[in-house]
Amino acid sequence: KNEVEQSPQNLTAQEGEFITINCSYSVGISALHWLQQHPGGGIVSLFMLSSGKKKHGRLIATINIQEKHSSLHITASHPRDSAVYICAVQAGNKLTFGGGTRVLVKP
Amino acid sequence: SAVISQKPSRDICQRGTSLTIQCQVDSQVTMMFWYRQQPGQSLTLIATANQGSEATYESGFVIDKFPISRPNLTFSTLTVSNMSPEDSSIYLCSASERGYGYTFGSGTRLTVV
Repeated sequence: KNEVEQSPQNLTAQEGEFITINCSYSVGISALHWLQQHPGGGIVSLFMLSSGKKKHGRLIATINIQEKHSSLHITASHPRDSAVYICAVQAGNKLTFGGGTRVLVKP
Repeated sequence: SAVISQKPSRDICQRGTSLTIQCQVDSQVTMMFWYRQQPGQSLTLIATANQGSEATYESGFVIDKFPISRPNLTFSTLTVSNMSPEDSSIYLCSASERGYGYTFGSGTRLTVV
């Protein structure tokens, strides 16, 4: 069993729909990161969470430390949100990555 | 947060040759890391690049295959040596300052033929 599990692996949505991506982990962590990877390979850091909830524009990230679970929500999705979203857990200085969720938002 | 310039962005190399990837950070950072992302897979940590000393490699990665340099707090290189088609991957560098999260380079897409 992987230390970091994401679901779903793939997601297709219509523009405007609400999207949720889930991340479960099995190890102790100091923080959880949500990352966005575009087709060229580059990665952008979206959120770093150690508790509660963070919001940036149309993106919302939550974490439940007791349940070892985090969610990333995209409200009013847009085709430019199409990317791979990766959950990564941090222990010390090291990140362990989930398998990613490939999101396609159709116009 | 720091901004990382990574190059080359992509390359096609002959087997048996070596490729050096560079990452330049626009500010001094304590930690730099190198990752590999094989096709269809998630990221795997190759090594932590230590300033002024030898890199710390993860299990399955060795210095002879992936030599790393970090001469100062803003720059690091990763060399993929004696390449084979199995080395075809995206290679990414990352920088971190304690409490400030991680910044990633734009990635190097390597194809070995």
